[in-house]
Amino acid sequence: EVQLVESGGGLVQPGGSLRLSCAASGFTFSTYWMHWFRQVPGKGLVWVSRINSDGSDNVYADSVKGRFTVSRDNAKNTLFLQMNSLRAEDTAVYYCARVDTSNWKVDEWGQGTLVTVSS
Amino acid sequence: DIVMTQSPDSLAVSLGERVTINCKSSQSVLYSSDNKNYLAWYQRKPGQPPKLLIYWASTRQSGVPDRFSGSGSGTDFTLTISSLQAEDVAVYLCQQYYATPITFGQGTRLEIK
Repeated sequence: EVQLVESGGGLVQPGGSLRLSCAASGFTFSTYWMHWFRQVPGKGLVWVSRINSDGSDNVYADSVKGRFTVSRDNAKNTLFLQMNSLRAEDTAVYYCARVDTSNWKVDEWGQGTLVTVSS
Repeated sequence: DIVMTQSPDSLAVSLGERVTINCKSSQSVLYSSDNKNYLAWYQRKPGQPPKLLIYWASTRQSGVPDRFSGSGSGTDFTLTISSLQAEDVAVYLCQQYYATPITFGQGTRLEIK
């Protein structure tokens, strides 16, 4: 069974940092591209970042470029999102999701982890 | 960015009736090299992540009941539920994955009448 489990969310002050993790199991993690999305409660889903299978290529939304860094450890089947210089508007539930590169569908999602940026 | 617009925002339908949800993209999501529409539909229930129902506009994801179907091409797409079941109460989202950033419609809330 495919599982994606996010962790690392919590309350952080503006300007602070957090590192989210997404533990993958039930599939060959090293062969899949991965995304991070986020959703402000009551608002729509927003794409944050994408990383390719070996971690050599990544892309970011303009709103997080220069502040967030996506990475992965294929030996540990784990995806990361390092979030620096956090702002109140980064408050959201963050989801990791898998990309099936045979057809580019985003087919599996984690349950999400809540990040709250507040003083 | 490609803007995705769904209609209606919400609807209430009787059990067993047909449901139609529309999605329009601000530019074509048809990739000419493979003639595929990079459009997906998701079901979202409270407290749960999105569940993929349809990809490539009309291909049903494995395990999804055949009462769910997708159609359309270019910029106009439709999700159809042929006979509404109680467990279909949810928010439905369309998503384009033709271009980065991936973008979603605002969602259509489906309820039982």
